[in-house]
Amino acid sequence: EPEVTQTPSHQVTQMGQEVILRCVPISNHLYFYWYRQILGQKVEFLVSFYNNEISEKSEIFDDQFSVERPDGSNFTLKIRSTKLEDSAMYFCASTGQAAYEQYFGPGTRLTVT
Amino acid sequence: ELKVEQNPLFLSMQEGKNYTIYCNYSTTSDRLYWYRQDPGKSLESLFVLLSNGAVKQEGRLMASLDTKARLSTLHITAAVHDLSATYFCAVDMKTGAQKLVFGQGTRLTINP
Repeated sequence: EPEVTQTPSHQVTQMGQEVILRCVPISNHLYFYWYRQILGQKVEFLVSFYNNEISEKSEIFDDQFSVERPDGSNFTLKIRSTKLEDSAMYFCASTGQAAYEQYFGPGTRLTVT
Repeated sequence: ELKVEQNPLFLSMQEGKNYTIYCNYSTTSDRLYWYRQDPGKSLESLFVLLSNGAVKQEGRLMASLDTKARLSTLHITAAVHDLSATYFCAVDMKTGAQKLVFGQGTRLTINP
């Protein structure tokens, strides 16, 4: 069964460093998403991406964040200068043209020290 | 702004008992999703409810949607320990981006 994959599973970085989180969505899907979940809290929408551009972003997704689909398979989230409060689990999700159900990847746990 | 509220946020129950988790949302939508999350894990899709009156069942879990009341319920029948997890409901706006807005989650603990 196709699934969304994410790498790395855990990333530890120092405050102020740049990180790139990687996702491989399901191959025929067209909409891509990033969500984050601070430990013990709810899942929050960050950004959606369709047709090689951002279709919607939340207030959390400020100038420190960017997304890219550098090739036909990867979808990346970059945080330019990490802060302590960026520590969270980051989930990638994807959905197809006619579908609505979002399939979530296993997540990347980001720890900023 | 769409708000999604679940209650209770914490639920401890005995095996064999029945209980219901409620999910209220603040604006018109007829797409509601239930997910399960085990500690440190991803979100597992349980149910997709796409219309008013939709009811779906899988094992000891049953979900329903009342779009007029803006309410979904997740009913647990004769709970077993394996159902211990955090359950999230989520609503999407049916706009182009189809972003999901999640409730706070209900942490369910089932005691033997």
